[in-house]
Amino acid sequence: DQQVKQNSPSLSVQEGRISILNCDYTNSMFDYFLWYKKYPAEGPTFLISISSIKDKNEDGRFTVFLNKSAKHLSLHIVPSQPGDSAVYFCAASYGSSGSARQLTFGSGTQLTVLP
Amino acid sequence: GAGVSQSPSNKVTEKGKDVELRCDPISGHTALYWYRQSLGQGLEFLIYFQGNSAPDKSGLPSDRFSAERTGGSVSTLTIQRTQQEDSAVYLCASSRRGQPQHFGDGTRLSIL
Repeated sequence: DQQVKQNSPSLSVQEGRISILNCDYTNSMFDYFLWYKKYPAEGPTFLISISSIKDKNEDGRFTVFLNKSAKHLSLHIVPSQPGDSAVYFCAASYGSSGSARQLTFGSGTQLTVLP
Repeated sequence: GAGVSQSPSNKVTEKGKDVELRCDPISGHTALYWYRQSLGQGLEFLIYFQGNSAPDKSGLPSDRFSAERTGGSVSTLTIQRTQQEDSAVYLCASSRRGQPQHFGDGTRLSIL
């Protein structure tokens, strides 16, 4: 019973173009969403997050969009760079603000940015 | 150090042996989490600590798994009588109150 799903195991994009990574969730209690990037043999690195009270959050080349009615979020990377090639994990959590929260992760999408 | 430190980075052991994995969180981070990633899978939550207490142990896969945290800092995850299905990368993360979790590079555990 996967509560967070990343249906695309892989994505290839040309350098300079937009990368769009998608994530769906089933648990309507989730109120906080994050994207992590992972290189081989390293731990996940936090990229960007969004609270359920927002529908968009932007940080440089990275933008996360949240559609609560569709239980869908996406990560946009523009322009894509070869160094962005990594596995991207979507994660979700719920709980009172400020408390420790366990994260529920998707299975990841391998992004390859071609030079 | 500046980040979450995990040791050992790799561990190979025989089925039936006990193993102990260590996590040293970022200084000042009150929350500490353990996850594992099996081959080709996403990260699976195991347990978290708020200070030294673990309010939620529901993610531990069996009673062979246990974890403790002392002094609000270092944590150890112990797996007794290891089985081949325990082979995975075990990841530790820590966070400040209300902040995103920061991960270590993990311990790659291989059970022969």
